[in-house]
Amino acid sequence: KQEVTQIPAALSVPEGENLVLNCSFTDSAIYNLQWFRQDPGKGLTSLLLIQSSQREQTSGRLNASLDKSSGRSTLYIAASQPGDSATYLCAVEGGSEKLVFGKGTKLTVNP
Amino acid sequence: EPEVTQTPSHQVTQMGQEVILRCVPISNHLYFYWYRQILGQKVEFLVSFYNNEISEKSEIFDDQFSVERPDGSNFTLKIRSTKLEDSAMYFCASSEYPGLVSETQYFGPGTRLLVL
Repeated sequence: KQEVTQIPAALSVPEGENLVLNCSFTDSAIYNLQWFRQDPGKGLTSLLLIQSSQREQTSGRLNASLDKSSGRSTLYIAASQPGDSATYLCAVEGGSEKLVFGKGTKLTVNP
Repeated sequence: EPEVTQTPSHQVTQMGQEVILRCVPISNHLYFYWYRQILGQKVEFLVSFYNNEISEKSEIFDDQFSVERPDGSNFTLKIRSTKLEDSAMYFCASSEYPGLVSETQYFGPGTRLLVL
């Protein structure tokens, strides 16, 4: 059974800092990995999708990497801003279309 | 930009009552999903739906749950006899293509269900 773990559970940084969020998964036979952002009491906003054949994806200040063989992904956020404060979720798809989620990392960027 | 919409945003019900949660997926999408998130816990998969039938369901999705696409735009989740433990945020999601193409799932804003 696929398990997804995200470390750290919470992270507080000053504005402008670069940061890395970590995601690990137990079964490397994944189809893709998605990073989402969740604001309090709100839905999930898709940030990046990395297919299993890819090593990384970039969108603006965000860069996600995938090392399928070791079961790891990282989300790098450059020059963090207070508006980046949210919970970041990692989810993997194992070929059956369903996503298996981690519990998330709650990020606070302090002005 | 097209988005998934869900109604109602909040629903309060008494234990044992039936509730129907509604979703309008993105119009050209073919694959639909329901997930739930109990407060403080992970988002969990409930069911996927394609071509007017359930594609996959989790062990959470027991006989008290059902899904339906009653017309060309709506996708509903029905809980027949709600329990206290059904209290959660329910998310609908959709994706454009099933199967071979790795597709982003787009999520709605959720319906917060509270069972008293």
